[in-house]
Amino acid sequence: AQKVTQAQTEISVVEKEDVTLDCVYETRDTTYYLFWYKQPPSGELVFLIRRNSFDEQNEISGRYSWNFQKSTSSFNFTITASQVVDSAVYFCALSRGGQGGKLIFGQGTELSVKP
Amino acid sequence: EAGVAQSPRYKIIEKRQSVAFWCNPISGHATLYWYQQILGQGPKLLIQFQNNGVVDDSQLPKDRFSAERLKGVDSTLKIQPAKLEDSAVYLCASSSPTVIFETQYFGPGTRLLVL
Repeated sequence: AQKVTQAQTEISVVEKEDVTLDCVYETRDTTYYLFWYKQPPSGELVFLIRRNSFDEQNEISGRYSWNFQKSTSSFNFTITASQVVDSAVYFCALSRGGQGGKLIFGQGTELSVKP
Repeated sequence: EAGVAQSPRYKIIEKRQSVAFWCNPISGHATLYWYQQILGQGPKLLIQFQNNGVVDDSQLPKDRFSAERLKGVDSTLKIQPAKLEDSAVYLCASSSPTVIFETQYFGPGTRLLVL
């Protein structure tokens, strides 16, 4: 069975601090995809990144970076120099390989960035 | 490119009443998903359509929930009769299959409160 665990329910930081959101997943599939979505107070899920199971390269996009490690089944997300606008709930999700796979979401981590 | 549209944005009903939600996916997206997100949890798939055919409805409570996607574009999700535990945000997402994988893009959601 597939499962995603985000152990951190809530995180509070002060602006400009770095923060890492943890994600651990379980799957028996050899081909799978991992995602991060951001859900601001408005409620819409905003796509941030997608990673496939064959690509363990870390990725950086501006202040965002992602660390994918198959050996520990983790796909962690780091925000550098956090800003108030980063305040949101962040979800990690897992999908099976192939087309049209449903997303299995973690419980989400609520990030609060205070000025 | 216009995003996924959903209406209404908010709905308050009493238990045992019926309610319907509407979704218009991104133009050209063949796959459409309905997710239910209960407060404090990650979204969970209710039903997935590929064009106008159902791919996965294993988590849909079929005794009270129904969904259709006529003509393979817009979709409607209905609850009849509603229960208190149906209070949640109902998210619609769409995706377009590519050669290897696809990313789901979400609408703003419909917040349902059942009293």
